[in-house]
Amino acid sequence: GAVVSQHPSWVICKSGTSVKIECRSLDFQATTMFWYRQFPKQSLMLMATSNEGSKATYEQGVEKDKFLINHASLTLSTLTVTSAHPEDSSFYICSVYRGAGYTEAFFGQGTRLTVV
Amino acid sequence: AQTVTQSQPEMSVQEAETVTLSCTYDTSESDYYLFWYKQPPSRQMILVIRQEAYKQQNATENRFSVNFQKAAKSFSLKISDSQLGDAAMYFCAYRLRGGSQGNLIFGKGTKLSVKP
Repeated sequence: GAVVSQHPSWVICKSGTSVKIECRSLDFQATTMFWYRQFPKQSLMLMATSNEGSKATYEQGVEKDKFLINHASLTLSTLTVTSAHPEDSSFYICSVYRGAGYTEAFFGQGTRLTVV
Repeated sequence: AQTVTQSQPEMSVQEAETVTLSCTYDTSESDYYLFWYKQPPSRQMILVIRQEAYKQQNATENRFSVNFQKAAKSFSLKISDSQLGDAAMYFCAYRLRGGSQGNLIFGKGTKLSVKP
């Protein structure tokens, strides 16, 4: 069964509005979650590392104020795209490791964001 | 910085035949993991196979096997007896082992088509 649940699977929003994407670990706790962005026909690029109880760590070039990450509990991390613009349209994927050792990453189903 | 290179944007194979996808990487580290992930049209990332760098033996998973050449920093994926369901994007990925480094570094992917 699914290990990670990501919601919504797709969303369309108007420019200037904000969109929240949720990533939940199912039946286990995750102190760290990872957010990736995938442009059409391209690879996954790490955006940020979400840490439970502390601030997220952002990759170089990722705007902290635009992509707000909140890891409020051990099973939930949220990514909020604030004041969305068409160039923010992309596929966003979260990833979680289950258990110690970081041996296998589990991915959410992804969220396709379209900003019109 | 670590990088992962997949030099084949697209590959095609006849059903029941064998195909090899190439991947090279660059790192100054000695202890790391390498992965092949499959991303079908649903966009769900699926782990195909994992290789620990400290293991000399090549990993195998049913019809999937790798040729891991650590000195050459090469990590190719061989798919035997190709099936229609193998058609997908395949991403090679690298991750440093140990500590809290959980983020994956992905190659640009290879789109595999399987002809009936």
